[in-house]
Amino acid sequence: EADIYQTPRYLVIGTGKKITLECSQTMGHDKMYWYQQDPGMELHLIHYSYGVNSTEKGDLSSESTVSRIRTEHFPLTLESARPSHTSQYLCASSVRGGEETQYFGPGTRLLVL
Amino acid sequence: KNQVEQSPQSLIILEGKNCTLQCNYTVSPFSNLRWYKQDTGRGPVSLTIMTFSENTKSNGRYTATLDADTKQSSLHITASQLSDSASYICVVSAGNAGNMLTFGGGTRLMVKP
Repeated sequence: EADIYQTPRYLVIGTGKKITLECSQTMGHDKMYWYQQDPGMELHLIHYSYGVNSTEKGDLSSESTVSRIRTEHFPLTLESARPSHTSQYLCASSVRGGEETQYFGPGTRLLVL
Repeated sequence: KNQVEQSPQSLIILEGKNCTLQCNYTVSPFSNLRWYKQDTGRGPVSLTIMTFSENTKSNGRYTATLDADTKQSSLHITASQLSDSASYICVVSAGNAGNMLTFGGGTRLMVKP
């Protein structure tokens, strides 16, 4: 079991609210990632980070933003949630170099009403 | 455009039977190929990883094969168990800066008693 945690696991929120999805890992991994996954569909990379103060946008355009102030912490923020943001959000981390196997957190299921 | 296609999309088998899942990819340049298992509501967990020079790798009852010439991989599950019910995702890493991953849509496997 990987030491990567996400909170909350489930979130139901109204349109227009600001939300932050938390992701923490205790493995000292440099690289961290956020993926969005709709039910039964493939994962899409929305953000990634090579290390502290590094953030990059992924393949799928997203209105969310991320920050990487500490190695172990990679929160994702939606300033104004909309029903189109309803999805599962998965956080992952990997060691820089080598095989770079990504270890995934359990995910946050977000429902925006 | 890098793509990973998996088949079948879904599969139902009886407990104790074997099955084989397929993955075709058009990722270039190729670095490695991973199979992940994703239980419902959880994050993916890595099962196997293969580089260009490897054509088979086993992890317990899971055996993955890779044909880098035809750009095909398969995941064979032997003597299936109820706990094998999950989505199996083929993920290919490009051998370029960032080692970005391309995810397949997954095969949803259900093992029935």
